[in-house]
Amino acid sequence: SAVISQKPSRDICQRGTSLTIQCQVDSQVTMMFWYRQQPGQSLTLIATANQGSEATYESGFVIDKFPISRPNLTFSTLTVSNMSPEDSSIYLCSVALRGVEQFFGPGTRLTVL
Amino acid sequence: KNQVEQSPQSLIILEGKNCTLQCNYTVSPFSNLRWYKQDTGRGPVSLTIMTFSENTKSNGRYTATLDADTKQSSLHITASQLSDSASYICVVSAGNAGNMLTFGGGTRLMVKP
Repeated sequence: SAVISQKPSRDICQRGTSLTIQCQVDSQVTMMFWYRQQPGQSLTLIATANQGSEATYESGFVIDKFPISRPNLTFSTLTVSNMSPEDSSIYLCSVALRGVEQFFGPGTRLTVL
Repeated sequence: KNQVEQSPQSLIILEGKNCTLQCNYTVSPFSNLRWYKQDTGRGPVSLTIMTFSENTKSNGRYTATLDADTKQSSLHITASQLSDSASYICVVSAGNAGNMLTFGGGTRLMVKP
């Protein structure tokens, strides 16, 4: 299995500001993923972050709004830029192991006022 | 379009009772089906993963079934406990390149004393 930690666990931010969420994994992984879970909804994939290459964004998500860094095989960051209340969600980091199992971090609960 | 539908959306049962959650999917090509438990404010935790050739898998009081012909899965919880109160998410993986996961909307289970 993989142990994933995220920082911060929660935050309350003002409209127009940016927040960077950190994801740390206890083992080296090739593929890391960032998801958004809006209130009462299931998870939606934002992007896939592979070390050494640009992140791949899903339809509806753009790099200017959600820039991602992946400096090594155990760490990634997701920035939510120029936030609005519609960005209030839980943001989850995830990793895939052995091509099948996927593990999720505890999530970052973001509230934008 | 790949889709995963879960029913019921929510369920309330008394402690000690059994319950069954349903998942129907139209995902092609099918690779595997996973059930996750997500406690409020936490990330999803894997309960079971089943491939095409598996039709049942247990994890303690949780038993998942898979009928690949009808594209249906169920998660049966035996002798429910208060700690079973959570959202249960059915996730189907497509067997193509990358990590093509399709998430169901989840079933929110509440176990009452």
